[in-house]
Amino acid sequence: SAVISQKPSRDICQRGTSLTIQCQVDSQVTMMFWYRQQPGQSLTLIATANQGSEATYESGFVIDKFPISRPNLTFSTLTVSNMSPEDSSIYLCSVGGSGTTISYEQYFGPGTRLTVT
Amino acid sequence: GEDVEQSLFLSVREGDSSVINCTYTDSSSTYLYWYKQEPGAGLQLLTYIFSNMDMKQDQRLTVLLNKKDKHLSLRIADTQTGDSAIYFCAERRTSNTGKLIFGQGTTLQVKP
Repeated sequence: SAVISQKPSRDICQRGTSLTIQCQVDSQVTMMFWYRQQPGQSLTLIATANQGSEATYESGFVIDKFPISRPNLTFSTLTVSNMSPEDSSIYLCSVGGSGTTISYEQYFGPGTRLTVT
Repeated sequence: GEDVEQSLFLSVREGDSSVINCTYTDSSSTYLYWYKQEPGAGLQLLTYIFSNMDMKQDQRLTVLLNKKDKHLSLRIADTQTGDSAIYFCAERRTSNTGKLIFGQGTTLQVKP
C-alpha cells in the first residue's frame, strides 16, 4: 500500500485568506485525488489531479476556488482560496495505482483539518 | 442516482459479530469498498470486492455482495473495542477513474 503524508495536519485560518495543502506519496502513483469531508458528513470528490495538465473538477467545484497542482507522480497541492467558514472541513488526498498501472486499491492520506474563523 | 446508503449507528458487545449494511443504486458499479475511520484519523482501506464476486473473506472480515439487490455488507467476527470507528462503504462506477461515491458512514460502538 502507498504511504501518504499531508501538510499541514490542521490549521485555523481567517476568512478571506488562502491555504495550500500538500500531499506527498512514497511511490509513484497513477492517480491522485482530492476529497472533502465536511463536519459529520461523508466524503465528496473535489477533483482529480492530473500530472502535467489541468485538474479535472467535479460538479460544484471550480479551479478559481480550489486550484490544484501535480508536478510529478508523487506530489500534489490543493489550495483553498478566499476561505469562508463554510470551507471548514477535512481535506483528504487519495491515490490509486502505481507507476503507470491502474489499480483498484485506493488509499487516503491522514487529512488536513481546516477551521476557518 | 448518486445515493449510497448506510444505517448511521450500530452497537454490539465485545466478542459478538457486527454486520454493517450498505445499499447502492447504480448497477454499473465495478468495485465496492469498505473503509474505517477512527476519531481524528484518515480513512483506512479495509477491503474491496469486484462486482462479479459474491463474497470475499479476509481474516475477521467477510464482505457479501448481492448485486441483484444492490446490497453490500461487512461482517466483523469477534468484534473488539478497537473496532469502534466509523465505517464507510463506497462504490466505484467506472473502472478507469478514481471517483468513489461514499455512504454516510456507520458508527460502530463496541461495548465491553
